[in-house]
Amino acid sequence: EADIYQTPRYLVIGTGKKITLECSQTMGHDKMYWYQQDPGMELHLIHYSYGVNSTEKGDLSSESTVSRIRTEHFPLTLESARPSHTSQYLCASSGPLGKDRYSEAFFGQGTRLTVV
Amino acid sequence: EDQVTQSPEALRLQEGESSSLNCSYTVSGLRGLFWYRQDPGKGPEFLFTLYSAGEEKEKERLKATLTKKESFLHITAPKPEDSATYLCAGLRAGNMLTFGGGTRLMVKP
Repeated sequence: EADIYQTPRYLVIGTGKKITLECSQTMGHDKMYWYQQDPGMELHLIHYSYGVNSTEKGDLSSESTVSRIRTEHFPLTLESARPSHTSQYLCASSGPLGKDRYSEAFFGQGTRLTVV
Repeated sequence: EDQVTQSPEALRLQEGESSSLNCSYTVSGLRGLFWYRQDPGKGPEFLFTLYSAGEEKEKERLKATLTKKESFLHITAPKPEDSATYLCAGLRAGNMLTFGGGTRLMVKP
């Protein structure tokens, strides 16, 4: 069973507020990811990290920012929430690469964000 | 541009009625093809990884196969608890996944 946790599970917040979505994993994985998923739609990578102090933007442009100060922790921050940020945010992590094999990504339960 | 396309978008089956889900991909330098199951309101749960054409993997009523252009997820004698969205993803350089839109499977008793 994957040990990756996201909090909160649900968040309803007003426009203009600053929010931080938390993601923690206890598997010691070096790689972590944030995906955005609208209802019934595909997952889009918005941020990823290869390890401490490493952060990169993903395929989908996002106004959010991330940080990776500790291996186990990969929070996502929105400085000023807007209704267009309403979505589900999924955090994932993956472990070391083996010879010609690649670790699957383990996902958290997600945070469903609603900005009103 | 890397792309993963799944079909059908939705599939309704009677319990026991076997079928297949399709995933076609154009991912440059594909390093693996992943299948996930996602239940409503939850994160995806890993099912299979396939690395080379001709490879097959099985788990209970599910069997995944891979060719050079597509992957199939075969569901044999499905049960209502198999109802979920099944996601296919191609792994590209940098250990990043490109996901398809998913197939929503509904199995009626």
